Amino acid sequence: DAMVIQNPRYQVTQFGKPVTLSCSQTLNHNVMYWYQQKSSQAPKLLFHYYDKDFNNEADTPDNFQSRRPNTSFCFLDIRSPGLGDAAMYLCATSRGLRRQPGSPITYEQYFGPGTRLTVT
Amino acid sequence: LAKTTQPISMDSYEGQEVNITCSHNNIATNDYITWYQQFPSQGPRFIIQGYKTKVTNEVASLFIPADRKSSTLSLPRVSLSDTAVYYCLVARDTGRRALTFGSGTRLQVQP
Repeated sequence: DAMVIQNPRYQVTQFGKPVTLSCSQTLNHNVMYWYQQKSSQAPKLLFHYYDKDFNNEADTPDNFQSRRPNTSFCFLDIRSPGLGDAAMYLCATSRGLRRQPGSPITYEQYFGPGTRLTVT
Repeated sequence: LAKTTQPISMDSYEGQEVNITCSHNNIATNDYITWYQQFPSQGPRFIIQGYKTKVTNEVASLFIPADRKSSTLSLPRVSLSDTAVYYCLVARDTGRRALTFGSGTRLQVQP
């Protein structure tokens, strides 16, 4: 089945030690998103890629970076994790953003299972 | 984007119909209303989206009045497995299709 895969599901890192989370998709979607979800809170968008075009949210800390080497893979790099960065990190994909004439708009995003990051 | 307001939590029993109402007073002409479901330790899952009137799929119905300042997600005959957080989102077609999640409604279904 086509899906969004995140590895690892659980990641423990030390304060200040760089960590990379990975996401892959078999849906061949143009757009890939990274969300941060802290305990009992709603997911918060960090950034997204439309193909190779990177779009950062205004309030995403500089500590968070992302790479998308090809359509299928996207990485989230946290350069110097702090205790406040402990959260679930969710990867999502969707079809291309640009509306085609006559085609319906869809806001359906496909989420992976998430990676729970612990910072010690 | 329009801010959404929905109840923090709701309780129901198996077999009942559950209606979750969301208000979005500042919705704009180009905005769509979308609902997602999230189980613990899983990513959100798209349920339904609509622009006006009523939309129905195999999972839920979405009712949107003419002024579009609110919407109601209707889950028919809920089961224990419908226990989850339900997010109402207003999405704008700016080309980015980015989603801003509100606080969500935690639905607890009991036997």
